[in-house]
Amino acid sequence: QSVLTQPPSASGTPGQRVTISCSGSSSNIGSNYVFWYQRLPGAAPKLLIHRNNQRPSGVPDRFSGSKSGTSASLAISGLRSEDEADYYCAAWDDSLSGRIFGGGTKLTVL
Amino acid sequence: EVQLVESGGGLVNPGGSLRLSCAASGFTFSGYSMNWVRQAPGKGLEWVSSIGGRGTSIYYADSVKGRFTISRDNAKNSLYLQMNSLKAEDTAVYYCAREVEEGFDSWGQGTLVTVSS
Repeated sequence: QSVLTQPPSASGTPGQRVTISCSGSSSNIGSNYVFWYQRLPGAAPKLLIHRNNQRPSGVPDRFSGSKSGTSASLAISGLRSEDEADYYCAAWDDSLSGRIFGGGTKLTVL
Repeated sequence: EVQLVESGGGLVNPGGSLRLSCAASGFTFSGYSMNWVRQAPGKGLEWVSSIGGRGTSIYYADSVKGRFTISRDNAKNSLYLQMNSLKAEDTAVYYCAREVEEGFDSWGQGTLVTVSS
């Protein structure tokens, strides 16, 4: 069981806006940055959001991140079929002195 | 272009050892912290270990502490993971990843480690 809790699945239709949540605690999300990774089928993970809400160059502005207290969210607007992938949140955990990933959310575009 | 290429994976008996390597190119290797992340079959991503650019600031996940050792050779632009006392639950694809501002911005394609008798 992951320290960071994500819903195992999410879905939406093309053009919709979907949100994926990530719940943690004061030792991780509450006191450190949150990162989001996208894992397309058969590909290596890709950094989607860093430092809570910053997009690396090349990541479309359809993807946005936010954080409040001990929870974070990834929002994808204008959903496309190519967004179908697994999404993971991650953060440093002060108690564990290590990085942790959420269990991942499989996004299906209907 | 940043490139990370892992090697060294394979089939090993429980209790055995394996050394993974990650060859880096396209950037100043010594200027970056590096990490190992794994994904077991049907499971999510799990961070394994990290090492600072100068080979200091080393951290391990509790699941591998005392069994795995991370190291790097900046002259050879290479990252390593020595894995001892391997268990079935260590079976996974192992990725090396470059760290930038605490995020993993570049990943290799991974190398498969299978621990089974």
